Amino acid sequence: ILNVEQSPQSLHVQEGDSTNFTCSFPSSNFYALHWYRWETAKSPEALFVMTLNGDEKKKGRISATLNTKEGYSYLYIKGSQPEDSATYLCALNYGNKLVFGAGTILRVKS
Amino acid sequence: NAGVTQTPKFQVLKTGQSMTLQCAQDMNHEYMSWYRQDPGMGLRLIHYSVGAGITDQGEVPNGYNVSRSTTEDFPLRLLSAAPSQTSVYFCASSYSPLGGLGELFFGEGSRLTVL
Repeated sequence: ILNVEQSPQSLHVQEGDSTNFTCSFPSSNFYALHWYRWETAKSPEALFVMTLNGDEKKKGRISATLNTKEGYSYLYIKGSQPEDSATYLCALNYGNKLVFGAGTILRVKS
Repeated sequence: NAGVTQTPKFQVLKTGQSMTLQCAQDMNHEYMSWYRQDPGMGLRLIHYSVGAGITDQGEVPNGYNVSRSTTEDFPLRLLSAAPSQTSVYFCASSYSPLGGLGELFFGEGSRLTVL
């Protein structure tokens, strides 16, 4: 089971800015890549589960892409709002084990 | 729908004491797991279960025991608490084996401090 790297570690943006962060992995030997959103004092909640190279998912202003050949996934937030402030976690599904990255902390200032 | 319920939410233990963190889900999920979350680190898998009577170790199993006698419940036992086990613990469940598309549903977390 390999490391899942997320960058940047934290990000501060202004309301209305669009932003993106990266999840990178050294090998595509996994079943699926998950993105979770984790608000302070709450539990992580799933945003997307992605399985195929070239996969793209969208939910409102948030979208994600997966490139298994190059070893990365991007999460995009268009027109950030203060309520988008959270930690965004990436995780790789290796069958019965989900391995998480350390997360990207996003703070959106109004 | 209650989802995944963890108890207690907060606990303080002395070194050497034992305790059990309870986890119950009402979604009829076969897969259940325990993670710990420490500052600057991702969620790390302690133990998991793919169904009643079946458990296996994750990345950091030492010092912890689990059992799965029913589909609904997956308790985590600390046998002899150590300060290194001070952490926030999350229970999570999934409706399908994670080789499929099953996302995890998390409980609210249990904050444990070992003095």
